[in-house]
Amino acid sequence: EAQVTQNPRYLITVTGKKLTVTCSQNMNHEYMSWYRQDPGLGLRQIYYSMNVEVTDKGDVPEGYKVSRKEKRNFPLILESPSPNQTSLYFCASSLVTGVGAKNIQYFGAGTRLSVL
Amino acid sequence: GQQLNQSPQSMFIQEGEDVSMNCTSSSIFNTWLWYKQDPGEGPVLLIALYKAGELTSNGRLTAQFGITRKDSFLNISASIPSDVGIYFCAGLTSGTYKYIFGTGTRLKVLA
Repeated sequence: EAQVTQNPRYLITVTGKKLTVTCSQNMNHEYMSWYRQDPGLGLRQIYYSMNVEVTDKGDVPEGYKVSRKEKRNFPLILESPSPNQTSLYFCASSLVTGVGAKNIQYFGAGTRLSVL
Repeated sequence: GQQLNQSPQSMFIQEGEDVSMNCTSSSIFNTWLWYKQDPGEGPVLLIALYKAGELTSNGRLTAQFGITRKDSFLNISASIPSDVGIYFCAGLTSGTYKYIFGTGTRLKVLA
């Protein structure tokens, strides 16, 4: 089954304690991305990756790091989490296709993070 | 960061009614996307639009890519209880893979 898998689904941590949220896709997609979802603000893109070793900042990258060492994995790293990073996080992936083609992003089920 | 203005923020409608929602932007997009998010799940793509003026349907859903390329509309006809959820628009600028999402429209359907 084609899917994007995030782990963990729920995480409670304390300020300053480094954490990693993993994301894996089994569809051989080149493109992967991380979003955070906050009430009233919709989805905001944190980082995205066009392929292995190619990453770029989205709209809200501050306080986050990513890496893309393998095509299927795109972990999100919070080196020193703060309470304003409490949010619902989504990973997504899609093919990288030409102009006009269907860039269908498949989303994971989400990770709810609370930073105390 | 850039965001899309999506309205209305929420809607309560009777089962069987038609629904309309829209997104506007100060920037031009070359692709408009509409997603639906069910509780506890990630967004799922409903409709993708690639040309100004394009009108595309997916069952009871119809979406249009505005002529100015700065707006898009989603209509749902004859709503049913399973239409409940949050609907998001998203824009994509040509030459980038940086998606900008709207703030969402929360739809509730009263049986």
